[in-house]
Formats: sequence, C-alpha cells, structure tokens
Amino acid sequence: QKEVEQNSGPLSVPEGAIASLNCTYSDRVSQSFFWYRQYSGKSPELIMSIYSNGDKEDGRFTAQLNKASQYVSLLIRDSQPSDSATYLCAVGKDYGGSQGNLIFGKGTKLSVKP
Amino acid sequence: DAGITQSPRYKITETGRQVTLMCHQTWSHSYMFWYRQDLGHGLRLIYYSAAADITDKGEVPDGYVVSRSKTENFPLTLESATRSQTSVYFCASRTGGSEAFFGQGTRLTVV
Repeated sequence: QKEVEQNSGPLSVPEGAIASLNCTYSDRVSQSFFWYRQYSGKSPELIMSIYSNGDKEDGRFTAQLNKASQYVSLLIRDSQPSDSATYLCAVGKDYGGSQGNLIFGKGTKLSVKP
Repeated sequence: DAGITQSPRYKITETGRQVTLMCHQTWSHSYMFWYRQDLGHGLRLIYYSAAADITDKGEVPDGYVVSRSKTENFPLTLESATRSQTSVYFCASRTGGSEAFFGQGTRLTVV
C-alpha cells in the first residue's frame, strides 16, 4: 500500500461546478497535510495546509481532514478553466524516525471545461 | 534573492558521466528534499536531509549521492548517469510541520 494515495484522474468538471479531490494516507501519526497545484512544466505551489480535523476554507478552496478515516479532501467551488492542473496531496511525517519527511501522492489531473 | 534556487535549469549529459544538480535555499530551513518527477509516477523522493550532515534515503535512492555540509546547500550527484535517470528533478525545503517550498526544477536528459 502506498503511503499517500490519490485517484490519478483525469477528473473533468464543467466551468462553475464543484471539483472534489480525494486523498488517503496510511501513517496514523501524520500531523500535517497539504494540497499543491502544479501546472504543466512548473513547480508545485501550495494551495492549502490543514492540521486539525474538520474543514478549512480559503476563497474558493476548502480542505477537509478526517484523521480517524485517514482521509483528506480538497473542494474547489466555482471551478474555472485556470484551475486545470494536477493537484498533489502531501502528508508530513512529523514524528518518529522519518521526522520532517514529506510524502506526495501521484496527483490528480483536473480539467475544467468552459 | 530569498527563496530556493536550482541550477542548472536544463542539462543534457551522456550515459556514464557524473552530473551534479545544485540546490540553494536562503531561509535556513532544516529539511531539504530531492524529488524526481516522471509521467505516471508523481513526485518520488530520492533523498532528504534533516540538518547539515544528516541525510536519509527516500523511495528511489539508487544511483544518486547527496551531501549537506552547509544548511543552505543540498547538491544531488548522479555518479554514472543512465537513461533511466532522465527526469525532472525538484529540490524543496521546509521547517518541521510547515509546507515545503520548491525550486524551479531541473530538466535532465541522459543520452
């Protein structure tokens, strides 16, 4: 089992719709969780970080964390064509032998159709 | 300039040659990472470092060597480049518990 798993997609949604991206992780001691966006040929850039159970909202983006289910999600409301990118889920290993390590999922490719 | 920079941005080398990719950060972040990104594989960790002189293997370390004599620098060396090491390489840094910041990437082609 991979440490961080995401559906590779592609996920296609119409403009204005809600895009839902999901991520599961295997290490229960993980404490920090991140969503990155990566445009083709560019570096990953941070969209959201979340550390506590529940929802965290920032503009059109909402991150959701459920540590009991080891599940992180990202909702993008009012999706725009400019949101078309690959979204990477990352999990921080902040305790134990791999302290400080950051593990990424393979990413979900999102396509927003005008 | 503040931030994290990689050099070179593009590199073509021949099979069997030694290649070093450079990474420099100005934040004094404790942790630094090298990832490679290939189609269908996402970001795979090659090596990471928790501090100067402390490094550890990631998922795909074979054929790579790292060092970290200073906090701000984390070079990655391919001792004898192979075609399978053709990839985009990203360096990143973070403090404990925080997000990671990425360099611009190095596109390496081994011919």
